[in-house]
Amino acid sequence: EVQLLESGGGLVQPGGSLRLSCAASGFTFSSYAMSWVRQAPGKGLEWVSAISGSGGTTYYADSVKGRFTFSRDNSKNTLYLQMNSLRAADTAVYYCAKAMSSSSVFDYWGQGTLVTVSS
Amino acid sequence: DIQMTQSPSSLSASVGDRVTITCRASQSISNYLNWYQQKPGKAPKLLIYAASSLQSGVPSRFSGSGSGTDFTLTISSLQPEDFATYYCQQSYSNPYSFGQGTKLEIK
Repeated sequence: EVQLLESGGGLVQPGGSLRLSCAASGFTFSSYAMSWVRQAPGKGLEWVSAISGSGGTTYYADSVKGRFTFSRDNSKNTLYLQMNSLRAADTAVYYCAKAMSSSSVFDYWGQGTLVTVSS
Repeated sequence: DIQMTQSPSSLSASVGDRVTITCRASQSISNYLNWYQQKPGKAPKLLIYAASSLQSGVPSRFSGSGSGTDFTLTISSLQPEDFATYYCQQSYSNPYSFGQGTKLEIK
């Protein structure tokens, strides 16, 4: 059974940093691209970032480019999202999502972790 | 960047109704269109991928169609558990944008 478990969310001041983690199990982790998708309170879904199975290729939404870094440790089946220079607009539930093979279709999602940026 | 526009933004319907939600892309995306269902406080769930392929375990009352720029999600006979918010998403090119969502409510 595929499982994705996010952690690391919380309250942070504007300009601060936070690192999210996503622990994966139930599939051959290194074979699949992964993404982060976020959802601001009461709003729709926004794709944030993607990473290839090897970790060698990453993509970012313009809204987070230069501030967020997506990485993975395939030996630990874990994803990381390092978030720096956080803004109030980054307040959201952050989901990690597994991509179907050779696509950007998200077939499994974690339960999400809430990041609140506020003074 | 590709913009995805859903209509309507909200919809009231009754159990047993046939419902159609539309999604339009700002440029051609072939069949790289996916549909997700989200219930309050829960993660999204994949329903349809590649415009018309039903994800494993999803009831056959859900169907998708379209190609190019115009797509539809149809629920043939609404069930109580179908009342949720539905999102389309393009997987044609980065950034992999979502529509703004369609909230399906009970009439």
